Amino acid sequence: KAGVTQTPRYLIKTRGQQVTLSCSPISGHRSVSWYQQTPGQGLQFLFEYFSETQRNKGNFPGRFSGRQFSNSRSEMNVSTLELGDSALYLCASSLIGAAGLNYGYTFGSGTRLTVV
Amino acid sequence: AQRVTQPEKLLSVFKGAPVELKCNYSYSGSPELFWYVQYSRQRLQLLLRHISRESIKGFTADLNKGETSFHLKKPFAQEEDSAMYYCAPQGAGANSKLTFGKGITLSVRP
Repeated sequence: KAGVTQTPRYLIKTRGQQVTLSCSPISGHRSVSWYQQTPGQGLQFLFEYFSETQRNKGNFPGRFSGRQFSNSRSEMNVSTLELGDSALYLCASSLIGAAGLNYGYTFGSGTRLTVV
Repeated sequence: AQRVTQPEKLLSVFKGAPVELKCNYSYSGSPELFWYVQYSRQRLQLLLRHISRESIKGFTADLNKGETSFHLKKPFAQEEDSAMYYCAPQGAGANSKLTFGKGITLSVRP
């Protein structure tokens, strides 16, 4: 079956611009999470969506937002880009079983965002 | 606050040596526990989860609730085990975010 697909793979933006990243989860997975990965900070949680609702949010400014559609596809948006937003953005999807049991996340390859 | 500590950044061993990658966590409730691995030039992937009580690629992980530790072990390391390893507890429901440790690089020398 197809894995988690993220588009685009690479992106170069200038400061002040905004950007939208896309994630298609594995079919049947209703939970989608986003992470920012940098060499200095490692993997930092951005937000999680489940059935179109944001269920958890990390400690990022309001410039970072996301949404999930009825087909579980998700997008994240970063407005007013700053140099420090340069990072690899990872999307992960998960199958949530009975009683909320999480079977583990499957990650995409990520979108490499460079802000210049 | 939820916290995951992987005290070492790098572990270098020779092929055939035992490996123990340490993880300590501070988490409210009873989180589910996972180890994730990232091989060079590959995407981050699930290695194993505590609830499955499984052994993947010869790795096992022991949960010690008293010490809140979830160490990853392998009796005989192989060169292909060289990778970055992340410990990650996860809550359930409204507390379901997956929190990653800083990760540890395992280098297995021939």
